Amino acid sequence: EIVMTQSPATLSVSPGERVTLSCRASQSVSSNLDWYQQKPGQAPRRLIYGASTRAAGVPARFSGSGSGTEFTLTITSLQSEDFAFYYCQQCNTWPWTFGQGTKVEIK
Amino acid sequence: EEQLAQSGAEVKKPGESLRISCQGSGYIFTSFWLGWVRQMPGKGLEWVGIFYPGDSDARYSPSFQGQVTFSIDKSINTAYLQWRSLKVSDTAKYYCARIRCGGDCNPAKNFYYGVDVWGQGTTVTVSS
Repeated sequence: EIVMTQSPATLSVSPGERVTLSCRASQSVSSNLDWYQQKPGQAPRRLIYGASTRAAGVPARFSGSGSGTEFTLTITSLQSEDFAFYYCQQCNTWPWTFGQGTKVEIK
Repeated sequence: EEQLAQSGAEVKKPGESLRISCQGSGYIFTSFWLGWVRQMPGKGLEWVGIFYPGDSDARYSPSFQGQVTFSIDKSINTAYLQWRSLKVSDTAKYYCARIRCGGDCNPAKNFYYGVDVWGQGTTVTVSS
């Protein structure tokens, strides 16, 4: 199974800052990589699919990049509603696997 | 509005059986892949498996193969996740999820847009 490793585990940032989250796959997943946001007590929410395509309704401050084994989720000008957990997920090879998540918290 | 509505929280003893449900509304239930995702307390997300209600094609994650069963009742647009004998380690929140994908839901070969609809989750607690 493909192991997805996210870094850092926790990111402490101030509103308005730019944030970069990393996700690494143990083997190539091509561009078959999603990003999901999850707030406490809520179901996850799709942000990005296909490594870089923003899902409908997702603000333009969220962007994804990368291919192969290295991926990045960037949030420009972090808003208060963006403090949450973020998970990457590969869907290139079954079983699909998630990273362990990055918590973005208020500094 | 396209929605997935899941059944309520369950408290069970080890060895008991359980079936939780996920009812779709606002869309053609048999035309979209569905999946189940587990989230253990304080932990991340894991795919239990995915299946296509139209023809019951299913794919289980190896960790869950033989431990759970997917089923469906097309007449009421409802999918089920079932255990025959629960373990304490099954304690978790389980989400159903609608996956936008084509064909056999292999993004390497068909279109894929990710999970666009999530259920609210069902909390399963297994304790003696």
